[in-house]
Amino acid sequence: AQKITQTQPGMFVQEKEAVTLDCTYDTSDPSYGLFWYKQPSSGEMIFLIYQGSYDQQNATEGRYSLNFQKARKSANLVISASQLGDSAMYFCAMREGERSGGYQKVTFGTGTKLQVIP
Amino acid sequence: DTEVTQTPKHLVMGMTNKKSLKCEQHMGHRAMYWYKQKAKKPPELMFVYSYEKLSINESVPSRFSPECPNSSLLNLHLHALQPEDSALYLCASSQDRGLPQPQHFGDGTRLSIL
Repeated sequence: AQKITQTQPGMFVQEKEAVTLDCTYDTSDPSYGLFWYKQPSSGEMIFLIYQGSYDQQNATEGRYSLNFQKARKSANLVISASQLGDSAMYFCAMREGERSGGYQKVTFGTGTKLQVIP
Repeated sequence: DTEVTQTPKHLVMGMTNKKSLKCEQHMGHRAMYWYKQKAKKPPELMFVYSYEKLSINESVPSRFSPECPNSSLLNLHLHALQPEDSALYLCASSQDRGLPQPQHFGDGTRLSIL
């Protein structure tokens, strides 16, 4: 079973509009972190936003917010007021497990390609 | 600007060449990673170093040889690569204590094997 599912391979949004990118996850670990990354065509993987499983409030970072619905196991990324520079691939990712030291494996979704239209 | 620096940004090499990819971070992270990414796919983990020791090797062919000289530096030595090794190679680092933390990535090295 997929641990991270992104069901939208590609999306279009009009400039200045808001857009929601979907992400659902699957874990039985009570301690986990959810992340969104942006990858422009130039290749760099840019960390956008983080939501911990124990966080009571939805994470926000500037124009990015994470709609965290724990019971539904969803962590959708909302981008407000889209800009042309938002055109990129967006990956949802998860790390599981609370450990002191050692490696916590990251699972990536398959990504959503967002194109912002002028 | 990214806090994880990778050099070179682009590399073209023949199948008999030896080259190295370099990665540096100054965030005090004690875990560092190498990923390989093919076009339109998510990154695939290759190696994990934790406290300068190799802790994970995801069955990577021996033509890829990682090295962690100190807590800030990570190298990937390349020798006798194949055309299918052409990809974007990403370095990342993170703090791996306590609750799961995000990884911070470099800009990557685009590798082309002739």
